[in-house]
Amino acid sequence: ETGVTQSPTHLIKTRGQQVTLRCSSQSGHNTVSWYQQALGQGPQFIFQYYREEENGRGNFPPRFSGLQFPNYSSELNVNALELDDSALYLCASSLGGWNQETQYFGPGTRLLVL
Amino acid sequence: KNEVEQSPQNLTAQEGEFITINCSYSVGISALHWLQQHPGGGIVSLFMLSSGKKKHGRLIATINIQEKHSSLHITASHPRDSAVYICAVKYNNDMRFGAGTRLTVKP
Repeated sequence: ETGVTQSPTHLIKTRGQQVTLRCSSQSGHNTVSWYQQALGQGPQFIFQYYREEENGRGNFPPRFSGLQFPNYSSELNVNALELDDSALYLCASSLGGWNQETQYFGPGTRLLVL
Repeated sequence: KNEVEQSPQNLTAQEGEFITINCSYSVGISALHWLQQHPGGGIVSLFMLSSGKKKHGRLIATINIQEKHSSLHITASHPRDSAVYICAVKYNNDMRFGAGTRLTVKP
């Protein structure tokens, strides 16, 4: 059973560019959530996907968008990057969301926007 | 004001001490999670609570729904317990996180 993987591990972009981050869920998990964690702060919920449909969204602008594929892997897209988007981006998979016992987190993608 | 408040922000203990980390929240929730984050960013899910108390090894988590408060206890603390402990609550279709408690256990 493979764990949750994310790619890339690190990324440097400049303001105004677009970025796509990827997450492969734990085998059999149908729910993926994405989080942004700025340095020294707790994570902030971006959105959750359940069976390819968005199933909840935090307080993030529309330039943060996502997709979940039939194999339950997921992408986070951020358009028009801003300096404040520099953060660790984490995904977590589970079978059914946060009312389930265990969330499995990926190692994260560290994004730096210059 | 954050909907999820943790205390203390930082905690230093000697090996073997009993540790308590607190989490208070101000919204109605359906579940509360305790997470452990090690340097480098990796997060491990420790507990999910909707009522009562859970125990796993040296870790104990409790929740009081009426008082909107949860505690994470670590018995016989060890240097390998050094990490950031984060409380997270499920609120409607949103998740809210505390800022974390940085625990350092010295040998």
